[in-house]
Amino acid sequence: KAGVTQTPRYLIKTRGQQVTLSCSPISGHRSVSWYQQTPGQGLQFLFEYFSETQRNKGNFPGRFSGRQFSNSRSEMNVSTLELGDSALYLCASSLEGTGGDEQYFGPGTRLTVT
Amino acid sequence: DAKTTQPNSMESNEEEPVHLPCNHSTISGTDYIHWYRQLPSQGPEYVIHGLTSNVNNRMASLAIAEDRKSSTLILHRATLRDAAVYYCILYPPKIGTASKLTFGTGTRLQVTL
Repeated sequence: KAGVTQTPRYLIKTRGQQVTLSCSPISGHRSVSWYQQTPGQGLQFLFEYFSETQRNKGNFPGRFSGRQFSNSRSEMNVSTLELGDSALYLCASSLEGTGGDEQYFGPGTRLTVT
Repeated sequence: DAKTTQPNSMESNEEEPVHLPCNHSTISGTDYIHWYRQLPSQGPEYVIHGLTSNVNNRMASLAIAEDRKSSTLILHRATLRDAAVYYCILYPPKIGTASKLTFGTGTRLQVTL
């Protein structure tokens, strides 16, 4: 079956702009989690969505938001971009979002803020 | 918040077994231990996970200490394609209930001929 897909794969934005990233989970998976990966901070949890509801949010400012649609596809939005937002943004899907589930990651969206 | 500690790097010869350690002394009784690996310019790939008992799958084996404060990922015969950064991650019973998920810096595995 098809894996997790993320679009776009690469993005270049200017400070102050906003950006929307998209994630399509594996068919049948209802949980989608988003992560930010940078060389300095490593992998950091952003938030998790399950059945269109945000169940948990990491320690990121309110400029980072997301949503999930009825087909489990998810988007994350970053407003008022800052240089420090340059990172690889990863989404992962799993069946129910439990610790016992395997998490399947997408290839990521590489965001560069200039 | 539970945290994992891994060596920064390890080396192995091809076709030899590799034991990648992970310390998680503050693990809670219900946290699952997951291992993922990441190749350059790719997203992390699931390897294996477990709760209390040792686990085996086609990719690797996971040995969990009796007190659950440490675990070891075992690659039985390393190949060049196993060269990657390996992450040991603790997941709560429900991801949505965690106040914060933390990840270690991972172990960069080098495999040589």
